[in-house]
Amino acid sequence: QITLKESGPTLVKPTQTLTLTCTFSGFSLTTRGVGVGWIRQPPGKALEWLALIYWDDDKRYSPSLKNRLTITKDTSKNQVVLTMTNMDPVDTATYYCAHRSGTGTRFGYWGQGALVTVSS
Amino acid sequence: DIQMTQSPSFLSASVGDRVIITCRASQGISNYLAWYQQTPGKVPKLLIYDASTLQSGVPSRFSGSGSGTHFTLTISSLQPEDVATYYCQNCNSDPFTFGPGTKVDIK
Repeated sequence: QITLKESGPTLVKPTQTLTLTCTFSGFSLTTRGVGVGWIRQPPGKALEWLALIYWDDDKRYSPSLKNRLTITKDTSKNQVVLTMTNMDPVDTATYYCAHRSGTGTRFGYWGQGALVTVSS
Repeated sequence: DIQMTQSPSFLSASVGDRVIITCRASQGISNYLAWYQQTPGKVPKLLIYDASTLQSGVPSRFSGSGSGTHFTLTISSLQPEDVATYYCQNCNSDPFTFGPGTKVDIK
């Protein structure tokens, strides 16, 4: 059974760096084809793909946020970490991590989401 | 970068109606397209991948078709539990962009 769970601060101040951790079970990030992605959703708005890390440590980022994002993995802990620098109120959103598999990058399993509010 | 568009942005239909949602990609993405359903307050759920393959456990009234740049999601007989926002996603190459969503409601 694949599960993922996001953890991190619920409130960050503008200009601060956000660090979110995705802790997963039921799969290994050393298995060929597997990846973990991050997607966010501002309140009342659409889903936005942010970043993806593959089993082989290949990393992909949203072009509009590339300069602010870093994604890393710790396979021994079954964790993926996303950092986003220079947070702004427009970054207020629910942040999801999700499991990627298959030949196309679909997300078949999602975490419950973590609401992050950016406010002074 | 590949852009995804959806139409309509909102639709209201009666129970039992056939509903069709369209998704277009700005460049060809072969059949690497996924559809997700997000009911209010819930986590997105994968419905269909590779444009037409139904995810395990998804009711057969949902179907998908298309390839290249034009895709459709069809609900053959709308049910009250289908009230949700539906998103398509480019699964071919990064950025793995989502469409803006189509909100489906019951008349």
